[in-house]
Order: sequence, then C-alpha cells, then structure tokens
Amino acid sequence: GAVVSQHPSWVICKSGTSVKIECRSLDFQATTMFWYRQFPKQSLMLMATSNEGSKATYEQGVEKDKFLINHASLTLSTLTVTSAHPEDSSFYICSVRPGHNSPLHFGNGTRLTVT
Amino acid sequence: EDQVTQSPEALRLQEGESSSLNCSYTVSGLRGLFWYRQDPGKGPEFLFTLYSAGEEKEKERLKATLTKKESFLHITAPKPEDSATYLCAVQASGTASKLTFGTGTRLQVTL
Repeated sequence: GAVVSQHPSWVICKSGTSVKIECRSLDFQATTMFWYRQFPKQSLMLMATSNEGSKATYEQGVEKDKFLINHASLTLSTLTVTSAHPEDSSFYICSVRPGHNSPLHFGNGTRLTVT
Repeated sequence: EDQVTQSPEALRLQEGESSSLNCSYTVSGLRGLFWYRQDPGKGPEFLFTLYSAGEEKEKERLKATLTKKESFLHITAPKPEDSATYLCAVQASGTASKLTFGTGTRLQVTL
C-alpha cells in the first residue's frame, strides 16, 4: 500500500502567487521528509530535507526564502513555492524513509504550472 | 561529485524480447544503488536496492545486477505493462538519505 500521500496532484497558478504542496506519511511517523524536483527529461534533484520541529536543510542553489518548508507534525510536511514564476513550473515529489534500512518511498508528485 | 549515467535513453521492445538497461555510476563510497520504476505523471516506485558488487536481486521479469562501476536491469520476456521509465540512483557513504539519480531509460513494450 501507499506509504506517502501528496496533494494536490496538479496545480496551475498565476505568476507572482504562492502555492502550497502537502506531503503526508501514512501509518508511520516521519521525522524527516525529502523534497525533490523533476524537470522534463531531467533527473530528480533533491531540493531540501524537511526536519520535524526544526529548520529544513536546503541543497546548494535552492533558495530557502522562495521554497518554504514547514514540518510541523510527524506526519505532515508542506512546501510553499512563493512568488512563483514560469521557471518554477516542474514536478515536485516528496519522499520518506519508513524505517532505518528502508529505501526512499516517493509520493505521486505535484505537477506545478505557473502561467 | 557523484554521477549516474543511464543508457539507452529510450528503448522499444516487442513483447517477449529480452534486453538490459545500463546504469554507470561514480560515487565516493557506495552505500546503495537503487532502481525505481516511474510511470508518466507519477512518483517513482521502488524496485531494488543493491549494496555490493556481485549482488543480484530479482522480481518477476526483472533482475538487477551490480559491479563496481555499473548496474544492469535485465528484463526477461517483457510485457506491455512493463512500459515505464526506469530510474537508477546511488547513495554515497556518509550521506543521510540523498540520492543522486540518472535521467532514466524510457522503455516501451509493444505487442
């Protein structure tokens, strides 16, 4: 069964607005969640690591003020794309590791289109 | 810097026509190599983890193998439902959970 749920599955927004994406772990508590981004015909790239109760860790080149991450509970992490621009249009995917020796399990992704 | 290169970029097979997908990697100490399947518009679905050279894993028509420089995903007698993009990723030693992905092989299996 599914390990992680992501919502919405797709969203269209206007340039300059903000969009929030939710990632929920199912049936287990996730102190850490991972946000990836995938552009067409490119590989998945880790954007940031979301830590429950503390600040997220961002990968080099990812603007923390633009991609706000909140991990307020053990089952929910949110990614907010602020002041979105067309170049932010991408496929955003969250992932979790259900156990210490488990592989990463991914949500079904959110297709963001900024017009 | 860790790197993953997958080939071919795209592959078209007829049903029953076996083949292999390649994943070449460079990593500063391999903690694990992962294979995922990704359907259009969906997130990656976990298939296998390989940890050391010589290791093999099998699941239905798929078999993954690992050497010190590359991994192969062998597909035996594929069916149309095996059509998907297959992603390879590596995790380096000392990294918590960061995976470095290749760009994938897009597989199409026709009747």
